[in-house]
Amino acid sequence: ETGVTQTPRHLVMGMTNKKSLKCEQHLGHNAMYWYKQSAKKPLELMFVYNFKEQTENNSVPSRFSPECPNSSHLFLHLHTLQPEDSALYLCASSQDGPGSGNTIYFGEGSWLTVV
Amino acid sequence: GQNIDQPTEMTATEGAIVQINCTYQTSGFNGLFWYQQHAGEAPTFLSYNVLDGLEEKGRFSSFLSRSKGYSYLLLKELQMKDSASYLCAVEGSGNTGKLIFGQGTTLQVKP
Repeated sequence: ETGVTQTPRHLVMGMTNKKSLKCEQHLGHNAMYWYKQSAKKPLELMFVYNFKEQTENNSVPSRFSPECPNSSHLFLHLHTLQPEDSALYLCASSQDGPGSGNTIYFGEGSWLTVV
Repeated sequence: GQNIDQPTEMTATEGAIVQINCTYQTSGFNGLFWYQQHAGEAPTFLSYNVLDGLEEKGRFSSFLSRSKGYSYLLLKELQMKDSASYLCAVEGSGNTGKLIFGQGTTLQVKP
């Protein structure tokens, strides 16, 4: 079992749909992250949670809504998305939050296609 | 602003040595990471440099010069399975330091 698991691995949704991405980490880490990876672009940090509290929102549109019920689980709720939101969404975790020098461990990612 | 530059693509031959360069300009510096990402898979950690110098780990080595804002990843005895994207990432300083990624270098290893 990998340290960070994401579901679903693939998701196709219409622009009026509401869906959620789920992430679970089995590493006992305190910080969790959502990153977006688009073709030909660097990984973009979206949200950071440290001890369940959101510590970073990197100017992400409100159609993306994160939820962190505990240190092991992270969700990304999606609604009224646009085709340009189609990308690979990566969840990650680290022992401590940003600036700590801890290695970030990534999940396999959820491929999202908005039609 | 914050900027991390890497070559977009590189090609090398099986058994050879390849060096992937990364230059950065960031707000503060707390360390530099290299990740490997095979197509359709998660990025996986390769190395972490916080002090100047060379860190060697098997066939892979990573070098850092903080004064020059420069790092490289050295891959020796290339294997076909080393074909992947290599991501350079810099962590800013302080407890708000974020991990900023470069665009990644896609390495193709040919027989």
